[in-house]
Formats: sequence, C-alpha cells, structure tokens
Amino acid sequence: AQTVTQSQPEMSVQEAETVTLSCTYDTSENNYYLFWYKQPPSRQMILVIRQEAYKQQNATENRFSVNFQKAAKSFSLKISDSQLGDTAMYFCAFMKEGNAGNMLTFGGGTRLMVKP
Amino acid sequence: NAGVTQTPKFQVLKTGQSMTLQCAQDMNHEYMSWYRQDPGMGLRLIHYSVGAGITDQGEVPNGYNVSRSTTEDFPLRLLSAAPSQTSVYFCASKTVSGASTDTQYFGPGTRLTVL
Repeated sequence: AQTVTQSQPEMSVQEAETVTLSCTYDTSENNYYLFWYKQPPSRQMILVIRQEAYKQQNATENRFSVNFQKAAKSFSLKISDSQLGDTAMYFCAFMKEGNAGNMLTFGGGTRLMVKP
Repeated sequence: NAGVTQTPKFQVLKTGQSMTLQCAQDMNHEYMSWYRQDPGMGLRLIHYSVGAGITDQGEVPNGYNVSRSTTEDFPLRLLSAAPSQTSVYFCASKTVSGASTDTQYFGPGTRLTVL
C-alpha cells in the first residue's frame, strides 16, 4: 500500500513571495504519477501540476513547479510570485501507473494562506 | 461539456435514514470513483468502477453501496446513515485509454451531515 505524508499542516506567505510545500511518499512501485491538487474554499478539487515518475525533468506550470526526488521519495511544490488567489488547501497525491492504478492516495493536506 | 456533476450539494439526514448521492459525467469516461473527505484529512476512496456493470471496493467501503448500470452514472447509496458518515463526498472520473489516463476530473462535492 502507498502512503503520502504532508508534514506542514499550515503555512503562510506574503503576496509576491515564494513558498514551498513538502510531500513525501512511500511505495514499492517503480512507475507512478504524482499530483498536487488545490482546494479553495469552494471545495472544488483543481489539478495544479502532475509528474510522471519515469521523467527526470521536474514539471512546471506557470508559477508552479515541483522538485521531484525519486530516490528520496520526495515531491515538493514551489509557488512563485504568490497571489491572494493561491490561498487554499493543497493536497499531494499518488497514483500507480496502468489501468489497475486508478486510485489516488492523498496526503493530509497543507493549508496555505497568502497574506497581502 | 458539464464535466462531472453531483447532486445534491448539501444534505442533512437523521441516523438510520437512507439516501443516494448522484454522480454523472458526460465525458464517456470508463473509470468513476467516490471519495470522502473528513476534516483535516485528504480524500479516501470508497468505491470505484472501471466500466458499466463492474464495481469494486476502495479503502473505506463499509456502509456504502454502488452500482454502475450506465457509463454516465455512478450513484452512491447510504443504506442506514450514521454520524460517522458526516463528510464531504466527491465523485471523480477518468479515461483509461488515450493520452490523459492519469488525469482525474472531480465533481463539486456533496456535504452530508448525519444527525
């Protein structure tokens, strides 16, 4: 079974600054996907960024980037130029590759507050 | 496309009552699933389906039933509601073929309170 751990229950950052959210996971799989989801107060689950485990290059989506360390089983999210709209819960999630690997395993979440 | 829709948005039940949470998707996705989210926790998988007529249990299936008679719909039934089932419920879907097999699409959630 896989486990995902987010060790920072809450974080805050000043608007326009950079913040990094941590995530570690445990798995015996070699091929898998990792995700960061954002959940604003509206409750909607929004996919922020995804990373395939076989890719060494870290994924980037505009102001969002990840630091994927496969050997260390670490998958942190960096948010640059933080905006007030980034205030939300952020969940790290794991999924095995293949049709059998459809289940998402989530971490407990990090509540991020962006301060003006 | 409406994506993944869920009804109702909010529901209050008394202990012992039964109800069905509805989920529908219009993307022709084979895979559909139900998660629950409890305060301070991530989502946990209740049941899932890889196609019409096929369902299986997830991590926390007790107290819930599902069926999948069509590709579009995947209702979640609470047989006899208990206060421990107070939670926010999310439905999700994804394709199992093509280029985006890893991307799950979530509905807006249903907040259920059991008194």
